[in-house]
Amino acid sequence: ETGVTQSPTHLIKTRGQQVTLRCSSQSGHNTVSWYQQALGQGPQFIFQYYREEENGRGNFPPRFSGLQFPNYSSELNVNALELDDSALYLCASSLDRGNSPLHFGNGTRLTVT
Amino acid sequence: KNEVEQSPQNLTAQEGEFITINCSYSVGISALHWLQQHPGGGIVSLFMLSSGKKKHGRLIATINIQEKHSSLHITASHPRDSAVYICAVSPNFGNEKLTFGTGTRLTIIP
Repeated sequence: ETGVTQSPTHLIKTRGQQVTLRCSSQSGHNTVSWYQQALGQGPQFIFQYYREEENGRGNFPPRFSGLQFPNYSSELNVNALELDDSALYLCASSLDRGNSPLHFGNGTRLTVT
Repeated sequence: KNEVEQSPQNLTAQEGEFITINCSYSVGISALHWLQQHPGGGIVSLFMLSSGKKKHGRLIATINIQEKHSSLHITASHPRDSAVYICAVSPNFGNEKLTFGTGTRLTIIP
């Protein structure tokens, strides 16, 4: 059973650029959630995907978008990067969208300069 | 005021001590999660509970739904328990829109 893997682990981008972060869910998990964690803060919910459909969204602007693929892997896309987008981006998969334990990846640390 | 408050923010203790971390929340929830985050950033889910008490090894989590309060206890603490412990609540069935506390940084001194 493979765990949740995220790529890349670190990334440096310039303000205004676009970035795509990737998450491979744990085997058998059809639900994935993305979180943004600024330094010294708790994670903030970005959105959740269930069976390729968005299933809930936090207070993030439309330039944060996502996709979930038929194999339940997922992407987070951020357009027009801003300095405040610098953070650790975490994804977590779960067995279903019900109340089931979350399995987190190690995150992608994004730095916007 | 944050919807999820944790205390203390920082905790330093000697190896072997009994540790308690508290979490209070102000919204209705369907489940509460306790998570452990190590310096590298990776998060491990410790417990998910909606009532009562759960135990796993030296870790115990309790929740009081009426008082909107949960505690995480660590017995016989060890330096490898040093990490940030985060409480998160799910307002409805489905884990969407999880709301997180800011975490408690625990340091266990040998």
